[in-house]
Amino acid sequence: DTGVSQNPRHKITKRGQNVTFRCDPISEHNRLYWYRQTLGQGPEFLTYFQNEAQLEKSRLLSDRFSAERPKGSFSTLEIQRTEQGDSAMYLCASSLYANTGELFFGEGSRLTVL
Amino acid sequence: KQEVTQIPAALSVPEGENLVLNCSFTDSAIYNLQWFRQDPGKGLTSLLLIQSSQREQTSGRLNASLDKSSGRSTLYIAASQPGDSATYLCAAYTGNQFYFGTGTSLTVIP
Repeated sequence: DTGVSQNPRHKITKRGQNVTFRCDPISEHNRLYWYRQTLGQGPEFLTYFQNEAQLEKSRLLSDRFSAERPKGSFSTLEIQRTEQGDSAMYLCASSLYANTGELFFGEGSRLTVL
Repeated sequence: KQEVTQIPAALSVPEGENLVLNCSFTDSAIYNLQWFRQDPGKGLTSLLLIQSSQREQTSGRLNASLDKSSGRSTLYIAASQPGDSATYLCAAYTGNQFYFGTGTSLTVIP
């Protein structure tokens, strides 16, 4: 068990560019969550998957954001036409689906939009 | 919608003190409550998970309690150490989503 892995750890991009983050969950975990966190705030829910199905997406999430989890394994989060307001830490977490599931986080991917 | 609040937002204590961090949630229909630690620029590390049927959980110097009826959880840290300095977050799990508080930033002064 190597834990939740996220890549890249840090991404600096210019406004208007597209960026993609990858998350590899703990191998047997069937739920995968994406969160966004800004300084001094708690994680803000973006979306989650159960296996390959995207079950919920935040209504606050712009259509510039898209996430996939092909084959129910790793997941990618893509942000198109980045804006300075997208600068944040993007956190991925996974859990073994159950009513008592415990959530495990990766180290996060920090995005800086210039 | 579930709302989670953590008080205080920041706390500074001398080394060796015992302390309590508070977490409150508005909807008592939760499956569990989880406490996390976050160091600057890092992800969240799970500390303790309390199932809805439990009243408390302990791990080393940490003890977390849960009172669903009043919508409250506390994290007790005994004999605090400088290495405990971090932000502590709680999250309430409703079966689909985890709702997070904004955290308590703890500084333990040597």
